[in-house]
Amino acid sequence: DVKVTQSSRYLVKRTGEKVFLECVQDMDHENMFWYRQDPGLGLRLIYFSYDVKMKEKGDIPEGYSVSREKKERFSLILESASTNQTSMYLCASSLNQVAHEQYFGPGTRLTVT
Amino acid sequence: GQQVMQIPQYQHVQEGEDFTTYCNSSTTLSNIQWYKQRPGGHPVFLIQLVKSGEVKKQKRLTFQFGEAKKNSSLHITATQTTDVGTYFCARGGSQGNLIFGKGTKLSVKP
Repeated sequence: DVKVTQSSRYLVKRTGEKVFLECVQDMDHENMFWYRQDPGLGLRLIYFSYDVKMKEKGDIPEGYSVSREKKERFSLILESASTNQTSMYLCASSLNQVAHEQYFGPGTRLTVT
Repeated sequence: GQQVMQIPQYQHVQEGEDFTTYCNSSTTLSNIQWYKQRPGGHPVFLIQLVKSGEVKKQKRLTFQFGEAKKNSSLHITATQTTDVGTYFCARGGSQGNLIFGKGTKLSVKP
């Protein structure tokens, strides 16, 4: 079974702090994704990566950056957290660009105060 | 553009009633996927449809892909409380990404 893990289930940070959200998958997947999920807005793609050191902007990349130094790990960085970044953050992975089925991690609920 | 519209946004049913959610696109889809997210959980892949007119069944769930490959539906027969959650459709993007609909939230009254 594919396993996608995220570093924290719940996180509380202060405005202006730098925040790191970590995601690890154990199935040698090429693609990894970061989404945020807000009530009424569904899943919105922040960034994705289809290879080590590669990244692509999703629909809402502003205020975020990512890092993929190793194939199994994809990090989401909030350079200076703001209250409007309070949300549920979901990481996902998929085998490659052809097989689109995505496997999601349990999510990190981030609160910025 | 590439968005997929999903209706209804919410559906409340009595246990035992049927439920259907619809996913519509203005452009032809290469494939459509369906996911279920239980309350407090994360989305879990249910199925992928690829062929025009395709119908697939998983127990009480029936998935259809339209003949024109612009719409899809998920039908649940005789809902149970275990069916509660949000159902998302998603279309494939050009780089292995997915574009999700906003989901249909199903509640089931016992």
